[in-house]
Amino acid sequence: NAGVTQTPKFRILKIGQSMTLQCTQDMNHNYMYWYRQDPGMGLKLIYYSVGAGITDKGEVPNGYNVSRSTTEDFPLRLELAAPSQTSVYFCASSPDRGGYEQYFGPGTRLTVT
Amino acid sequence: GNSVTQMEGPVTLSEEAFLTINCTYTATGYPSLFWYVQYPGEGLQLLLKATKADDKGSNKGFEATYRKETTSFHLEKGSVQVSDSAVYFCALSDLGGSEKLVFGKGTKLTVNP
Repeated sequence: NAGVTQTPKFRILKIGQSMTLQCTQDMNHNYMYWYRQDPGMGLKLIYYSVGAGITDKGEVPNGYNVSRSTTEDFPLRLELAAPSQTSVYFCASSPDRGGYEQYFGPGTRLTVT
Repeated sequence: GNSVTQMEGPVTLSEEAFLTINCTYTATGYPSLFWYVQYPGEGLQLLLKATKADDKGSNKGFEATYRKETTSFHLEKGSVQVSDSAVYFCALSDLGGSEKLVFGKGTKLTVNP
Protein backbone atom coordinates (compact mmCIF):
# COMPACT_ATOMS: atom_id res chain seq x y z
CA ASN A 1 0.00 0.00 0.00
CA ALA A 2 1.92 3.03 -1.27
CA GLY A 3 -0.58 5.71 -0.13
CA VAL A 4 -0.16 8.98 -2.06
CA THR A 5 2.72 9.15 -4.52
CA GLN A 6 3.99 12.20 -6.37
CA THR A 7 6.41 12.61 -9.24
CA PRO A 8 8.83 14.18 -9.81
CA LYS A 9 10.50 14.96 -6.46
CA PHE A 10 12.38 17.95 -7.85
CA ARG A 11 12.16 20.00 -11.02
CA ILE A 12 13.69 23.17 -12.39
CA LEU A 13 11.72 24.99 -15.08
CA LYS A 14 12.54 28.00 -17.20
CA ILE A 15 10.04 30.85 -17.33
CA GLY A 16 7.32 30.08 -19.86
CA GLN A 17 7.79 26.32 -19.84
CA SER A 18 4.96 23.92 -18.95
CA MET A 19 4.86 20.74 -16.92
CA THR A 20 2.55 18.28 -15.21
CA LEU A 21 2.94 17.20 -11.61
CA GLN A 22 1.66 13.68 -11.14
CA CYS A 23 -0.31 12.45 -8.12
CA THR A 24 -1.66 8.94 -7.57
CA GLN A 25 -3.37 7.37 -4.58
CA ASP A 26 -4.14 3.70 -4.07
CA MET A 27 -6.60 4.02 -1.18
CA ASN A 28 -9.74 4.49 -3.31
CA HIS A 29 -10.31 7.93 -1.80
CA ASN A 30 -12.91 10.18 -3.40
CA TYR A 31 -11.45 13.50 -2.25
CA MET A 32 -8.13 14.78 -3.59
CA TYR A 33 -6.33 18.08 -3.17
CA TRP A 34 -3.37 20.09 -4.40
CA TYR A 35 -1.63 22.49 -2.03
CA ARG A 36 1.39 24.71 -2.37
CA GLN A 37 3.68 25.47 0.53
CA ASP A 38 5.64 28.70 0.57
CA PRO A 39 8.15 29.43 3.36
CA GLY A 40 6.47 30.74 6.52
CA MET A 41 3.05 30.76 4.85
CA GLY A 42 1.54 27.39 5.63
CA LEU A 43 -0.25 25.55 2.85
CA LYS A 44 -2.63 27.10 0.36
CA LEU A 45 -5.21 25.09 -1.59
CA ILE A 46 -4.85 25.26 -5.38
CA TYR A 47 -7.53 22.85 -6.63
CA TYR A 48 -9.54 20.00 -5.26
CA SER A 49 -11.76 17.18 -6.45
CA VAL A 50 -14.62 15.37 -4.73
CA GLY A 51 -14.69 12.51 -7.22
CA ALA A 52 -13.74 11.44 -10.72
CA GLY A 53 -14.86 14.04 -13.25
CA ILE A 54 -15.43 16.76 -10.63
CA THR A 55 -12.90 19.50 -9.85
CA ASP A 56 -13.08 22.94 -8.32
CA LYS A 57 -10.84 25.90 -7.57
CA GLY A 58 -9.23 26.56 -4.24
CA GLU A 59 -7.65 29.75 -2.92
CA VAL A 60 -4.82 30.14 -5.45
CA PRO A 61 -5.82 28.51 -8.79
CA ASN A 62 -4.36 31.05 -11.23
CA GLY A 63 -1.72 29.57 -13.50
CA TYR A 64 -2.77 25.97 -12.84
CA ASN A 65 -5.16 23.40 -14.26
CA VAL A 66 -6.28 19.97 -13.10
CA SER A 67 -8.22 16.99 -14.34
CA ARG A 68 -9.64 13.92 -12.61
CA SER A 69 -10.44 11.18 -15.09
CA THR A 70 -9.98 8.33 -12.59
CA THR A 71 -10.34 7.94 -8.84
CA GLU A 72 -6.62 7.26 -8.50
CA ASP A 73 -5.01 10.11 -10.44
CA PHE A 74 -5.14 13.87 -10.00
CA PRO A 75 -2.46 15.60 -12.12
CA LEU A 76 -1.69 19.32 -11.77
CA ARG A 77 -0.73 21.20 -14.91
CA LEU A 78 1.39 24.36 -14.91
CA GLU A 79 1.12 26.40 -18.09
CA LEU A 80 3.61 29.19 -18.81
CA ALA A 81 5.60 28.80 -15.60
CA ALA A 82 6.42 31.98 -13.66
CA PRO A 83 8.91 32.61 -10.80
CA SER A 84 5.92 33.10 -8.47
CA GLN A 85 5.17 29.39 -8.90
CA THR A 86 8.42 28.41 -7.23
CA SER A 87 7.16 26.39 -4.28
CA VAL A 88 6.74 22.93 -2.80
CA TYR A 89 3.61 21.21 -4.05
CA PHE A 90 1.72 18.62 -2.02
CA CYS A 91 -1.02 16.30 -3.16
CA ALA A 92 -3.40 14.87 -0.56
CA SER A 93 -6.40 12.57 -0.44
CA SER A 94 -9.23 11.85 1.98
CA PRO A 95 -11.79 9.06 2.06
CA ASP A 96 -14.89 11.09 2.82
CA ARG A 97 -16.29 14.18 4.42
CA GLY A 98 -16.89 14.56 8.12
CA GLY A 99 -13.57 15.07 9.87
CA TYR A 100 -11.54 12.40 8.11
CA GLU A 101 -7.83 13.07 7.92
CA GLN A 102 -6.03 13.93 4.72
CA TYR A 103 -3.12 11.78 3.60
CA PHE A 104 -0.25 13.68 2.04
CA GLY A 105 2.29 12.75 -0.58
CA PRO A 106 6.00 13.51 -0.14
CA GLY A 107 5.88 16.69 -2.23
CA THR A 108 7.43 18.10 -5.39
CA ARG A 109 9.95 20.94 -5.06
CA LEU A 110 9.64 23.20 -8.11
CA THR A 111 11.94 26.06 -9.01
CA VAL A 112 11.14 28.43 -11.87
CA THR A 113 14.05 30.56 -13.09
CA GLY B 1 -13.93 33.19 5.94
CA ASN B 2 -12.39 30.44 8.01
CA SER B 3 -8.90 31.04 9.37
CA VAL B 4 -6.33 29.60 11.75
CA THR B 5 -3.81 31.56 13.78
CA GLN B 6 -0.98 29.75 15.47
CA MET B 7 1.94 30.75 17.57
CA GLU B 8 4.86 32.24 15.68
CA GLY B 9 8.07 30.33 15.83
CA PRO B 10 10.67 29.18 15.91
CA VAL B 11 10.50 27.49 19.29
CA THR B 12 13.65 26.04 20.82
CA LEU B 13 13.47 23.78 23.87
CA SER B 14 15.73 21.45 25.80
CA GLU B 15 14.93 17.76 25.95
CA GLU B 16 12.26 16.91 28.57
CA ALA B 17 10.86 20.45 28.60
CA PHE B 18 7.12 21.15 28.44
CA LEU B 19 5.73 22.22 25.09
CA THR B 20 2.74 24.41 24.27
CA ILE B 21 1.94 25.66 20.79
CA ASN B 22 -1.08 27.94 20.72
CA CYS B 23 -3.73 27.71 18.01
CA THR B 24 -6.95 29.70 17.67
CA TYR B 25 -9.46 29.58 14.86
CA THR B 26 -12.27 31.51 13.26
CA ALA B 27 -15.02 29.49 11.62
CA THR B 28 -18.74 29.29 11.11
CA GLY B 29 -20.27 26.15 12.50
CA TYR B 30 -18.25 23.41 14.17
CA PRO B 31 -15.31 22.33 12.05
CA SER B 32 -13.03 19.42 12.82
CA LEU B 33 -9.61 20.48 14.11
CA PHE B 34 -6.25 18.90 13.37
CA TRP B 35 -2.59 19.06 14.20
CA TYR B 36 -0.24 17.93 11.45
CA VAL B 37 3.51 17.45 11.76
CA GLN B 38 6.12 17.83 9.01
CA TYR B 39 9.55 16.32 9.53
CA PRO B 40 12.43 17.71 7.43
CA GLY B 41 12.11 16.82 3.76
CA GLU B 42 8.81 14.99 4.19
CA GLY B 43 5.10 15.54 3.63
CA LEU B 44 2.61 16.28 6.38
CA GLN B 45 1.40 13.56 8.73
CA LEU B 46 -1.63 13.70 10.96
CA LEU B 47 -0.59 14.00 14.61
CA LEU B 48 -4.02 14.21 16.23
CA LYS B 49 -7.52 15.47 15.65
CA ALA B 50 -10.80 16.38 17.37
CA THR B 51 -14.17 16.49 15.69
CA LYS B 52 -16.41 18.17 18.27
CA ALA B 53 -16.29 20.52 21.22
CA ASP B 54 -14.52 19.23 24.36
CA ASP B 55 -12.98 16.33 22.46
CA LYS B 56 -9.34 15.67 23.32
CA GLY B 57 -7.07 14.35 20.60
CA SER B 58 -3.90 12.56 21.66
CA ASN B 59 -1.01 10.72 20.04
CA LYS B 60 2.67 10.06 20.85
CA GLY B 61 2.39 12.02 24.12
CA PHE B 62 0.88 15.08 22.41
CA GLU B 63 -2.57 16.34 23.38
CA ALA B 64 -4.98 19.05 22.27
CA THR B 65 -8.52 19.85 23.43
CA TYR B 66 -11.20 21.38 21.21
CA ARG B 67 -12.35 24.47 23.15
CA LYS B 68 -15.40 26.03 21.54
CA GLU B 69 -15.75 28.81 24.11
CA THR B 70 -12.22 30.11 23.41
CA THR B 71 -12.07 28.85 19.79
CA SER B 72 -8.74 27.22 20.57
CA PHE B 73 -6.92 23.93 20.00
CA HIS B 74 -3.56 24.30 21.74
CA LEU B 75 -0.97 21.54 21.33
CA GLU B 76 0.83 20.29 24.46
CA LYS B 77 3.41 17.71 25.37
CA GLY B 78 4.77 17.14 28.83
CA SER B 79 8.31 16.09 27.93
CA VAL B 80 9.70 16.69 24.44
CA GLN B 81 12.40 14.63 22.77
CA VAL B 82 14.97 15.50 20.14
CA SER B 83 12.94 13.40 17.69
CA ASP B 84 10.00 15.82 18.10
CA SER B 85 11.92 18.48 16.17
CA ALA B 86 9.67 19.34 13.22
CA VAL B 87 7.20 21.91 11.93
CA TYR B 88 3.71 21.70 13.46
CA PHE B 89 0.60 22.91 11.64
CA CYS B 90 -2.81 23.56 13.13
CA ALA B 91 -5.69 23.17 10.68
CA LEU B 92 -9.46 23.11 10.44
CA SER B 93 -11.69 21.42 7.92
CA ASP B 94 -13.99 23.53 5.83
CA LEU B 95 -17.65 22.61 6.21
CA GLY B 96 -18.71 23.77 2.74
CA GLY B 97 -18.62 20.30 1.20
CA SER B 98 -15.05 20.21 -0.04
CA GLU B 99 -13.57 19.16 3.32
CA LYS B 100 -10.51 21.17 2.40
CA LEU B 101 -8.12 22.09 5.17
CA VAL B 102 -7.33 25.64 6.22
CA PHE B 103 -3.84 25.75 7.73
CA GLY B 104 -2.03 27.99 10.12
CA LYS B 105 1.43 29.17 9.07
CA GLY B 106 3.26 26.48 11.02
CA THR B 107 5.53 26.54 14.06
CA LYS B 108 9.04 25.18 13.82
CA LEU B 109 10.14 23.31 16.93
CA THR B 110 13.76 22.46 17.66
CA VAL B 111 14.58 20.27 20.65
CA ASN B 112 18.20 20.25 21.83
CA PRO B 113 19.75 17.37 23.80
